[in-house]
Amino acid sequence: GDSVTQMEGPVTLSEEAFLTINCTYTATGYPSLFWYVQYPGEGLQLLLKATKADDKGSNKGFEATYRKETTSFHLEKGSVQVSDSAVYFCALNYGGATNKLIFGTGTLLAVQP
Amino acid sequence: DADVTQTPRNRITKTGKRIMLECSQTKGHDRMYWYRQDPGLGLQLIYYSFDVKDINKGEISDGYSVSRQAQAKFSLSLESAIPNQTALYFCATSGTGTGSDTQYFGPGTRLTVL
Repeated sequence: GDSVTQMEGPVTLSEEAFLTINCTYTATGYPSLFWYVQYPGEGLQLLLKATKADDKGSNKGFEATYRKETTSFHLEKGSVQVSDSAVYFCALNYGGATNKLIFGTGTLLAVQP
Repeated sequence: DADVTQTPRNRITKTGKRIMLECSQTKGHDRMYWYRQDPGLGLQLIYYSFDVKDINKGEISDGYSVSRQAQAKFSLSLESAIPNQTALYFCATSGTGTGSDTQYFGPGTRLTVL
C-alpha cells in the first residue's frame, strides 16, 4: 500500500542554518504531496504542496520538489529561525473519490538561537 | 475567527465514560474527517464524511462513532472510553473539485482517559 517515510528526529539546528528534512513515499499512482507544520500546542497547518512530478511547492522560505524518479519530496529552507521550531509532517493524497491523507510520522525541528 | 473549530480543547475523563468531541467549520466544505495523533505515529484516520448522508470508516474506527449533524458539524463519540484512547484528536475539512486533495485542520482536542 501507499506510505510515507520521514527522517527520524529531532533535528536540532542553530539559527540561520540550512535545513533539509527528508521524505520519501511509496505510491501505486500519482498523488499530490504535502508538507504540514504543527507549531507547539496548535493544529496542523498546510505549509506547501505539489501536485505533479517536478512541481516545486514553496511558502515562507520553505521549498520542496516532487521527484518522481527518486520518489522523494524533501523539505528545505536556506536559513532557519527560532520561530520555525515545530513538527513537520510529509503526506500524500490522491484526492478525488478517496481523498485520504497518508502521513509520515513527523519530524521535530528545534532551532536554537 | 478560525475556519475549523473543535470543542473542547482539553478533556480529562475516566474509563467507561461516554465522551463527545465536536467540530464545526465555516469553510463551506462538504467533506470532514476525524484523525487521531499518537506520539511517533503521525496521524491516523478514524472516520470521514463526504456529505451529510455519507459516513465512512477509516483505519482505526473501532471504539469510535460519528455523527454528521449538518454540513458544518461533525462529532466524534467514544461510547466507553478506555486509556489507550488517550491521544490528540483533530478534525479536518476539504472541498470538492480542484484542490480537494488539500485538508484544513482544526486546533485539536487533547483527550486523557484515566
